[in-house]
Amino acid sequence: NAGVTQTPKFQVLKTGQSMTLQCAQDMNHEYMSWYRQDPGMGLRLIHYSVGAGITDQGEVPNGYNVSRSTTEDFPLRLLSAAPSQTSVYFCASSFTGPGSPGQGAQGYTFGSGTRLTVV
Amino acid sequence: AQSVTQPDIHITVSEGASLELRCNYSYGATPYLFWYVQSPGQGLQLLLKYFSGDTLVQGIKGFEAEFKRSQSSFNLRKPSVHWSDAAEYFCAVGFRAAGNKLTFGGGTRVLVKP
Repeated sequence: NAGVTQTPKFQVLKTGQSMTLQCAQDMNHEYMSWYRQDPGMGLRLIHYSVGAGITDQGEVPNGYNVSRSTTEDFPLRLLSAAPSQTSVYFCASSFTGPGSPGQGAQGYTFGSGTRLTVV
Repeated sequence: AQSVTQPDIHITVSEGASLELRCNYSYGATPYLFWYVQSPGQGLQLLLKYFSGDTLVQGIKGFEAEFKRSQSSFNLRKPSVHWSDAAEYFCAVGFRAAGNKLTFGGGTRVLVKP
């Protein structure tokens, strides 16, 4: 059971380039999310999804796109990279609570992170 | 919007001494509360969680945390710290109205002196 797999682990981009950070989970989790981690600021939510075909914005969505075509995959796209997007990115997944989605927050399973540098 | 505060950015503790990390949240509803640990270069690992019931919860690696509704706090404790406990610790809060979304504190980095 691999859990949550993020690729790549490290990436250097030039300003203006685009790229996709991959996230895949094999636990049949409905809920998936992307966070960025910056020193002293903890983790801030970028986008999240409560199931295939459903995505929504988090706290810091600007400059990022997501899609959820399958339960397993939740890629994060940087449209035009900027130095302010230099950060460590984490993907996390969880089951939703009992009943319909959104009725409970279970513990997340995190990927090992992608360290992105934009120069 | 809800917020989570971890007042201590860094804590240095001697090996074998006790450790307490503070976490306060702001919101009116009953929260779901979590503590995660992040070792250098690693992802986050769940230490413990509180959903309801007994306000003192036990977690992995000898950690425990106590939910105090009157103080809006969920402090993490360990009676005797080991050198391997050196890491960054994050408190996170969720609420039923927010579904599965969690809000994280800024983190507390723990250094362990021999």
